[in-house]
Amino acid sequence: GDSVTQMEGPVTLSEEAFLTINCTYTATGYPSLFWYVQYPGEGLQLLLKATKADDKGSNKGFEATYRKETTSFHLEKGSVQVSDSAVYFCALVNTGFQKLVFGTGTRLLVSP
Amino acid sequence: NAGVTQTPKFRILKIGQSMTLQCAQDMNHNYMYWYRQDPGMGLKLIYYSVGAGITDKGEVPNGYNVSRSTTEDFPLRLELAAPSQTSVYFCASTPQGADTQYFGPGTRLTVL
Repeated sequence: GDSVTQMEGPVTLSEEAFLTINCTYTATGYPSLFWYVQYPGEGLQLLLKATKADDKGSNKGFEATYRKETTSFHLEKGSVQVSDSAVYFCALVNTGFQKLVFGTGTRLLVSP
Repeated sequence: NAGVTQTPKFRILKIGQSMTLQCAQDMNHNYMYWYRQDPGMGLKLIYYSVGAGITDKGEVPNGYNVSRSTTEDFPLRLELAAPSQTSVYFCASTPQGADTQYFGPGTRLTVL
C-alpha cells in the first residue's frame, strides 16, 4: 500500500538557520502531496501542497517541490523562527474520498 | 465560522467503559474523517464518511463505531475501552472534490 517516510526528529535549530525536513513516498500512480503542521496543543493545519510532478508548493516562507523521479517532497525554509517550532507531517492522497496517508511527523525545535 | 469542533478535550476512562467522541463541522462539508495519533506514529485513519448515512472503515477501525445522521455531525463511539485506545483523536472534514482537510483541535483520551 501507499506509505510516507519522514526523517526522525527532533530537529533542533537556532533562529535564522536553514531547514530541511526530508520526506519520501511510495505510491502507485500520481498522488497529491501535502505538508501539514501541528502547533503545540492544536490540530493539524495545511502548510502547503503540490498536486503534480515538478509543482512547488509554498507558504509562510516554506517550500517543497514534488519530485517524481526521486519520489520525494522535502520541506525547506531559508530562515526559521522560534514561532516555527511545531510538528510537521508529510502526507499523500492517492485514492478516492481524499483519504490522507501520513508520515510519522518530525518535531522542529527552534531556539533564539 | 467555528470550523471543526470536538468534545471533550480530555477524558479518562476505565477499561471496559464506553464513550462517544463528538465531532461537528459548520462548513457543509460532505466528507468527514476520524484519525488517531499515537506518539511517534503519525495519524491513522479510523473511519470516514462521504455523506449522511454513508460510512466506511479506514486503516484501524477495530474497537470503534461511527454514524453519520446529518452532514454536520460525525460521532465516534468506543464500546469497550481498552488501554490500546489511549491516544489523541482528531476529526477532519473536506468538501467533496477538494483535497485540503480541516482538522479539529483533538480529544486526548486515556484508558486506565
